[in-house]
Parts: sequence; C-alpha cells; structure tokens
Amino acid sequence: EAQVTQNPRYLITVTGKKLTVTCSQNMNHEYMSWYRQDPGLGLRQIYYSMNVEVTDKGDVPEGYKVSRKEKRNFPLILESPSPNQTSLYFCASRPGTGGAGANVLTFGAGSRLTVL
Amino acid sequence: SQQGEEDPQALSIQEGENATMNCSYKTSINNLQWYRQNSGRGLVHLILIRSNEREKHSGRLRVTLDTSKKSSSLLITASRAADTASYFCATFTYGNNRLAFGKGNQVVVIP
Repeated sequence: EAQVTQNPRYLITVTGKKLTVTCSQNMNHEYMSWYRQDPGLGLRQIYYSMNVEVTDKGDVPEGYKVSRKEKRNFPLILESPSPNQTSLYFCASRPGTGGAGANVLTFGAGSRLTVL
Repeated sequence: SQQGEEDPQALSIQEGENATMNCSYKTSINNLQWYRQNSGRGLVHLILIRSNEREKHSGRLRVTLDTSKKSSSLLITASRAADTASYFCATFTYGNNRLAFGKGNQVVVIP
C-alpha cells in the first residue's frame, strides 16, 4: 500500500531532550515536507526537500533540523525541544514531476508531540 | 506561506443537506486543491482544479474556481455523517513549487 509512515505517533518529552521523528514513504516521491498544525494557525511548513541531499526552509524552521540522505526517508530532528514546539506534526510527500498530479500531497497519520 | 483562506470557518448542517465552503487566495496560482482531515488524522486529497478550469466534479464533490476573483468553492452534496471533518484548500504555484494551505473549515454533519 502506498503510504507515508511517521513515528512515533505520540510522544511526551521534556525540554532540551533531543528527539527525532522519522518519516518514510514507499512511493519513490522526490518531494517531501514537514508541517506542524496548531489550533487557529492551520498547517505551517517547517522544511521541505526537493530531492536527495536538497533541503530548504519552510515558514517556521526555527528549532528544527532535517536531512535527506535517502529518497524514501526525511527525519525531523528537534535538537533541544521547547514547550512551544508542542504540536501535531505531519510528514507529506509528492511525486515532484509529471503534471498536475505531481503536486498532490500524500500525508502521514501525524505525530502528536508534547514538550513539558 | 499561508495563502488560502476558507470561509465559513465552521459549518453545522443536517444530514442530507448540501455544504458549501469558500476559499480565497491572493496571488496567481497553477492549481488549487482541497483536502479533508478527520479529527487528528492526516490530510487526504479530495480534488484538484487547474487554473484554466472553472468547474470540476468528483462523486458528491463539486469544485469551482474563479481566477478573476481569486476564489474557489467546494460543494458537498447530500452530506453524510461521515463527511464530518475539516476541509482545507491549498494553492500551488510552479514559481515557488510549494503548496500553501488555508487554516481549514470545520464541517459537522448532524445525523
């Protein structure tokens, strides 16, 4: 089944304790992206990657890091989490090339992170 | 950056009624997409309309696009309780190769 898999789905952690949220897609998509969703603010893009070894900042990149060493994986790293990073996080991917369908995102199920 | 703005923000209707949501945006686009999100879950793509299209149908969904007014509407006909969800519009522009999402529109369908 074509899907985006992210882990963990739920995590409670403490301020300053480094954590990584993994994201993997099995659709050979070129483009991958991370979003955070907060009440009243909608979806905001954190980082995106057009292809392997190519990453760029989205709208709210502060406090986050990403890497794209393989096409299928795009982990989100919080080096020193703070309470304002408590949020619902989504990883998403799309083909990247090949007509209008290339712009359609497939989302993961979400990772709810709480930083105490 | 956030571009789409959905209106109304929240809608409550009876099962069987039609639900209409609007989305406005600010800059030129190549296509506009609508996504659905069930509570706390990932977004699911519903329909895409290109900038040179004015109307598109998919099952009980009807989307219109007016590029002169920079607006789109999503109509769900004969709503069902399972349509209860948040609906997001998202605009795509080849220039920045990014999808910009609105803040979402919550629809509650009462059985």
